[in-house]
Amino acid sequence: DVKVTQSSRYLVKRTGEKVFLECVQDMDHENMFWYRQDPGLGLRLIYFSYDVKMKEKGDIPEGYSVSREKKERFSLILESASTNQTSMYLCASSGGQGSYGTGELFFGEGSRLTVL
Amino acid sequence: QKEVEQNSGPLSVPEGAIASLNCTYSDRGSQSFFWYRQYSGKSPELIMFIYSNGDKEDGRFTAQLNKASQYVSLLIRDSQPSDSATYLCAVNEGFQKLVFGTGTRLLVSP
Repeated sequence: DVKVTQSSRYLVKRTGEKVFLECVQDMDHENMFWYRQDPGLGLRLIYFSYDVKMKEKGDIPEGYSVSREKKERFSLILESASTNQTSMYLCASSGGQGSYGTGELFFGEGSRLTVL
Repeated sequence: QKEVEQNSGPLSVPEGAIASLNCTYSDRGSQSFFWYRQYSGKSPELIMFIYSNGDKEDGRFTAQLNKASQYVSLLIRDSQPSDSATYLCAVNEGFQKLVFGTGTRLLVSP
């Protein structure tokens, strides 16, 4: 069974802390994505990666960075957490290359981050 | 930025009825379209995708695409209470980047 695993389901952090969200997929997928989901705003793409050591900015990259040192692992980093980064963070992966693929994203269970 | 618009709902239908969920998108050049279902507290999962104008059927689900009107819809026949969820429309922006709508919440009453 395909699996995308996010390291933490719930986190509570303080403003200014550095936060790491880890994501691992076991499907040998090339593409990995980080989204955040907020009520009324839907899913918004933060960063994505098509290959090891490469990254591309999504629609809302400010305040975030990512790391992809191994194909199966994609980490989201909040260098200095702020209250407006309180959200549900969803990691996803997809296989295939090229422009349009199948669009089938496999999502992890999500990490709910609260920044106080 | 490409936009995908959905009515947030909730859309309430009785069990056994047809539920019709609608989505419009801004980029006339968009090529591929997706419907994801998200149960409360869970992650989205793909239900269907459609690339060509017209209808695509899969069991009780039918996706409809009209590129001229920039309109995608999802019909759910014989709706069941287990279909109650939020349905997310998504458009491929290219290179497998999806732009999601904010979702329509569907409630199917027994």
